[in-house]
Amino acid sequence: AQSVAQPEDQVNVAEGNPLTVKCTYSVSGNPYLFWYVQYPNRGLQFLLKYITGDNLVKGSYGFEAEFNESQTSFHLKKPSALVSDSALYFCAVRDMMPDQTGANNLFFGTGTRLTVIP
Amino acid sequence: DGGITQSPKYLFRKEGQNVTLSCEQNLNHDAMYWYRQDPGQGLRLIYYSQIVNDFQKGDIAEGYSVSREKKESFPLTVTSAQKNPTAFYLCASSIRDRGFGEQYFGPGTRLTVT
Repeated sequence: AQSVAQPEDQVNVAEGNPLTVKCTYSVSGNPYLFWYVQYPNRGLQFLLKYITGDNLVKGSYGFEAEFNESQTSFHLKKPSALVSDSALYFCAVRDMMPDQTGANNLFFGTGTRLTVIP
Repeated sequence: DGGITQSPKYLFRKEGQNVTLSCEQNLNHDAMYWYRQDPGQGLRLIYYSQIVNDFQKGDIAEGYSVSREKKESFPLTVTSAQKNPTAFYLCASSIRDRGFGEQYFGPGTRLTVT
């Protein structure tokens, strides 16, 4: 079984300050972790992913995420927030069993709405 | 929204009518997916297809049907059996690999049933 939790429905941060959007996961096999962003009335846009290797993953628009296996977390971060970063952010996980192939089914969290205050 | 089109953007239907949502991709992806998005619930998987002429039920398939006759097309029909069809529907596609690939999403269709 796989799941992700985004414990904060809403995060507010002042423009120019660092931001963090939290995500924790639960999987049976190896976790493949993803972050997506959604602007109003739009589809989701891929930001970054962790498959293996370096625990700090860099992605689009200056975002990065840190994979922490001991805490089963994959928090999204940005050193300096922009007003244009205001959007809905989704964490997702694929539970990758060793012999599994095929569809890349993802399990999504409930989303965190980020508001950057000018 | 990266090579995936969904039409129409807004759709209004009367209760009891079936309605079909279109999803087309030109990314040459084998796998395609349909999600439903409701406020506060994230995305929930309705159906997915790994290859032409094959599809599988997701977590909330009841009241929905799909077809995959062509690689680039994966239409979703919301039937009258779906008890609460008003939602934002998202289509996605990906390469078919061992899980490394991200999904690419269309712009979505907002369905309102009254």
